Amino acid sequence: QSALTQPASVSGSPGQSITISCTGASSDVGNYDLVSWYQQHPGKAPKLMIYEDNKRPSGVSDRFSGSKSGNTASLTISGLQAEDEGDYYCCSYAGSSTWVFGGGTRLTVL
Amino acid sequence: QVQLVQSGAEVKKPGSSVRVSCRTYRGIFSNYGITWVRQAPGHGLEWMGGTIPIFGKANYAQKFQGRVTITADESTGTAYMILSNLKSDDTAVYYCARSRTGTRDFDYWGQGTLVTVSS
Repeated sequence: QSALTQPASVSGSPGQSITISCTGASSDVGNYDLVSWYQQHPGKAPKLMIYEDNKRPSGVSDRFSGSKSGNTASLTISGLQAEDEGDYYCCSYAGSSTWVFGGGTRLTVL
Repeated sequence: QVQLVQSGAEVKKPGSSVRVSCRTYRGIFSNYGITWVRQAPGHGLEWMGGTIPIFGKANYAQKFQGRVTITADESTGTAYMILSNLKSDDTAVYYCARSRTGTRDFDYWGQGTLVTVSS
């Protein structure tokens, strides 16, 4: 159960788009269409942003989108806004009712 | 509005145990599970384990096998996480979250419980 690999940090200017990658293995990311993404602001609990690789929960802005190719999932945020700044975590189902998170990516809006 | 309310902060000695509770609503376990995730200071999220009562017993991350016990009281909709043989690097915020059985994600989270392990 190794952690998924994410870049430590990404940044972008307001209005731009950024993409955060999340690389796992054929036993987790590549084996299930069950990658989810979470946004976390300092001192707050995580918030579900994307589920089942590319679906958005009700109330999440359509500026957030998810995709996957092989063992790598991606989160794209378009039209960056100051409120998007924070930490983002991917998470994959890994079978037998177990999950694995990525190490997290700090998004800075310049 | 779904709410998960966790018990308060704890300070524990090394070698002791801690129990954190997560109060939800009656009936939650008919359709959902509860998972536990921790976050050490300045670090990322770490899945510890979870229980989906309709599927049977709890499941745990290998790292915590033998040290963590997760249970669910279906009559009150409350989940519990017990971590034993505490070490200083168990100091972290512990979160419970509702897990959806079909989509395998965590849609609602508790506010977090800070557990500090110090002699």
